[in-house]
Amino acid sequence: QKEVEQDPGPLSVPEGAIVSLNCTYSNSAFQYFMWYRQYSRKGPELLMYTYSSGNKEDGRFTAQVDKSSKYISLFIRDSQPSDSATYLCAMSVLDFGNEKLTFGTGTRLTIIP
Amino acid sequence: NAGVTQTPKFQVLKTGQSMTLQCAQDMNHNSMYWYRQDPGMGLRLIYYSASEGTTDKGEVPNGYNVSRLNKREFSLRLESAAPSQTSVYFCASSPGTADGYTFGSGTRLTVV
Repeated sequence: QKEVEQDPGPLSVPEGAIVSLNCTYSNSAFQYFMWYRQYSRKGPELLMYTYSSGNKEDGRFTAQVDKSSKYISLFIRDSQPSDSATYLCAMSVLDFGNEKLTFGTGTRLTIIP
Repeated sequence: NAGVTQTPKFQVLKTGQSMTLQCAQDMNHNSMYWYRQDPGMGLRLIYYSASEGTTDKGEVPNGYNVSRLNKREFSLRLESAAPSQTSVYFCASSPGTADGYTFGSGTRLTVV
């Protein structure tokens, strides 16, 4: 069993819809939770970062963490064609000054105009 | 605002050839990483360097070597390329605190 599970999709939704992306994890040691966005033929870029259970909002994006259920989500409101990308969840622990990330496999999202 | 710079962006190798992928960061980060990304497999860690002068194996180190040349530069070497090493390679860096990683734009490598 992988430490981090993520539905690979693909997921296609119409422009303006609310998108929900999810990951589950099995390692209780994970302390920090992230979402990366990766456009085609580009490197992943950090989109959202949180370390506590609950919600964190940044514009149209909301990251949600439920440590008791080992479940994290990313919600995108008023989705735009420019949101079309692969979204990777990531989780980390700090180990003697080194942050070790474990990534999900990514969900490919397409927003249809 | 260079961040993490990888060279080359594209490369085609014949089986058995060697090459070095270069990575440099200008953010004064302590830690650097090499990943490969394959369809359906996600990002897999090849090697990492927690600080200048140290390197450690990741999940898939076989067939690769690394050198942390200085704090800025971390190179990945394929001594004898194999078709199974066809992939997109990403370098990343981190300050070593809980801030996530900054990735380069990748090197697309094809081994024929």
